[in-house]
Amino acid sequence: GESVGLHLPTLSVQEGDNSIINCAYSNSASDYFIWYKQESGKGPQFIIDIRSNMDKRQGQRVTVLLNKTVKHLSLQIAATQPGDSAVYFCAESTSGTYKYIFGTGTRLKVLA
Amino acid sequence: AAGVIQSPRHLIKEKRETATLKCYPIPRHDTVYWYQQGPGQDPQFLISFYEKMQSDKGSIPDRFSAQQFSDYHSELNMSSLELGDSALYFCASSPPPWGAYNEQFFGPGTRLTVL
Repeated sequence: GESVGLHLPTLSVQEGDNSIINCAYSNSASDYFIWYKQESGKGPQFIIDIRSNMDKRQGQRVTVLLNKTVKHLSLQIAATQPGDSAVYFCAESTSGTYKYIFGTGTRLKVLA
Repeated sequence: AAGVIQSPRHLIKEKRETATLKCYPIPRHDTVYWYQQGPGQDPQFLISFYEKMQSDKGSIPDRFSAQQFSDYHSELNMSSLELGDSALYFCASSPPPWGAYNEQFFGPGTRLTVL
């Protein structure tokens, strides 16, 4: 299938280590943020979301942190596994709009 | 569980031709979104529909048009195709009631190649 993210920033981590993927968003009015995982040739897959009234949200092996002061979002993946290898995108949305604005993706490579 | 269906999965067209991409949302989802993703790029929002009405518009060229039908499926019509239109086109859907906090479920995409 098509290689998604041919020229995207790459993060390489050892299997079992924790991964941290960062994202800067642009619109201070955005109040909903989402992390998506995209494997080659596939559509984005929802990982976790967070609303602007929260600073942190945890899921299974994943944590999203939101810093509204500096408009920064991060995704932490615990005990990274080979199946986590993919391109990760953050997206922002604003109440009253019907769209997501995606940030630049990061390719995560998990080294055995 | 049912997912968003897109057809065709692959499409090859010549310059100046037209193309129609179809999207079938998850059952009971009433909002549909279209995104374009070029090689190495992030998905770019094109247009969305809520209850068969256009709800938001992004960077969609005037050569493109879209609509949502009574059964909630949507079609993206692309005319006078250009080489730069070659991309992955994703459709996403979300359930009612719409809100900024509704998760968008993405389809597998249609890969359009313009020669």
